[in-house]
Amino acid sequence: EDQVTQSPEALRLQEGESSSLNCSYTVSGLRGLFWYRQDPGKGPEFLFTLYSAGEEKEKERLKATLTKKESFLHITAPKPEDSATYLCAVRSGYSTLTFGKGTMLLVSP
Amino acid sequence: KAGVTQTPRYLIKTRGQQVTLSCSPISGHRSVSWYQQTPGQGLQFLFEYFSETQRNKGNFPGRFSGRQFSNSRSEMNVSTLELGDSALYLCASSAVNEQFFGPGTRLTVL
Repeated sequence: EDQVTQSPEALRLQEGESSSLNCSYTVSGLRGLFWYRQDPGKGPEFLFTLYSAGEEKEKERLKATLTKKESFLHITAPKPEDSATYLCAVRSGYSTLTFGKGTMLLVSP
Repeated sequence: KAGVTQTPRYLIKTRGQQVTLSCSPISGHRSVSWYQQTPGQGLQFLFEYFSETQRNKGNFPGRFSGRQFSNSRSEMNVSTLELGDSALYLCASSAVNEQFFGPGTRLTVL
């Protein structure tokens, strides 16, 4: 059974204070690791897909990396508008997505 | 390109009633998945449809059912509502691997 654990559950940063969110996973045959951003009361917004260890992807202040057991979402010089819950999910075989519980990020001005 | 749309956005029902939620996927996407999101359990997979066939099913009771039409639009139905069914119900469509979510339907069961 696929398992995804995200840490920390919540993170409070000052504007400009860089940090990383962690996503540890256990799957049999990874077919993709996905990062989403979710604002309160809205559906998750797709950010990145990573497929193999060593892969990295960037979008504005966000950079996602992948190893064989975990993924990191690095946030560089965050702004208050980066405040959201960040969700990690994995897909294995022909199964659907298994999500972690998310990390709630709050960036204060 | 229009995104995933879900109707209605908000619903209030009482215990014992039934409810039907609707999802229109992104044009060209043939796979539609449904998820239940609650503060305690997070996002939990309900079922996935592809070309009108249920391809995967999560661990939910038989009160939860769904279907997909020939135009890829999908509906999910919950019968005999319970208080614990209060949640945000999310629909996601995909073409290959990435899933794109709609805004969700907020269901409140009183």
